[in-house]
Amino acid sequence: EDQVTQSPEALRLQEGESSSLNCSYTVSGLRGLFWYRQDPGKGPEFLFTLYSAGEEKEKERLKATLTKKESFLHITAPKPEDSATYLCAVQAPRSGTYKYIFGTGTRLKVLA
Amino acid sequence: GAVVSQHPSWVICKSGTSVKIECRSLDFQATTMFWYRQFPKQSLMLMATSNEGSKATYEQGVEKDKFLINHASLTLSTLTVTSAHPEDSSFYICSASPPSGYSYEQYFGPGTRLTVT
Repeated sequence: EDQVTQSPEALRLQEGESSSLNCSYTVSGLRGLFWYRQDPGKGPEFLFTLYSAGEEKEKERLKATLTKKESFLHITAPKPEDSATYLCAVQAPRSGTYKYIFGTGTRLKVLA
Repeated sequence: GAVVSQHPSWVICKSGTSVKIECRSLDFQATTMFWYRQFPKQSLMLMATSNEGSKATYEQGVEKDKFLINHASLTLSTLTVTSAHPEDSSFYICSASPPSGYSYEQYFGPGTRLTVT
């Protein structure tokens, strides 16, 4: 069964304290892995797409990496404005089309 | 680019009435749109996949007669919650994907908060 698991469920960091969020997946025929940021009461905001193992992408203080079993979102020297829920999703084939499977997210709180 | 809008952003309705939520892709044509439901502090639950010009595909456990989806054009999909009840109160979010071959990303709308009294 296709599955996406994110850890930790919640994370509190001091400003400047770097860390990593994990997204483990089990899926047949991965077409892409996506990272999103979601602020309370808003829709998810697209961050990255990763397509193949070994791929890396960066945006400001964020860096996403992908292996055959998991993806990491590294946050370097976070700031309070990085506080949000970070969602991971995979795209997998289904019955001639495809579907997205989301993890439950990591709630990140960065303290000043 | 890749902006998706939703309307309304919040709505309060009485039990037994119907509510329509619109999802529009503003700067691209979306052959596929998705409707999600999200409960507080939980992840997104896919309700249905909407394809332009054809019937929506509903996920297991989602009542298609209660949640009516119409993808009338390449830029508009609507979700109608019929005979709403308090348990339908939730945050509804749509997303749209550009045509296949362009990219695989979904772009999300800002969400609609539905409260049924």
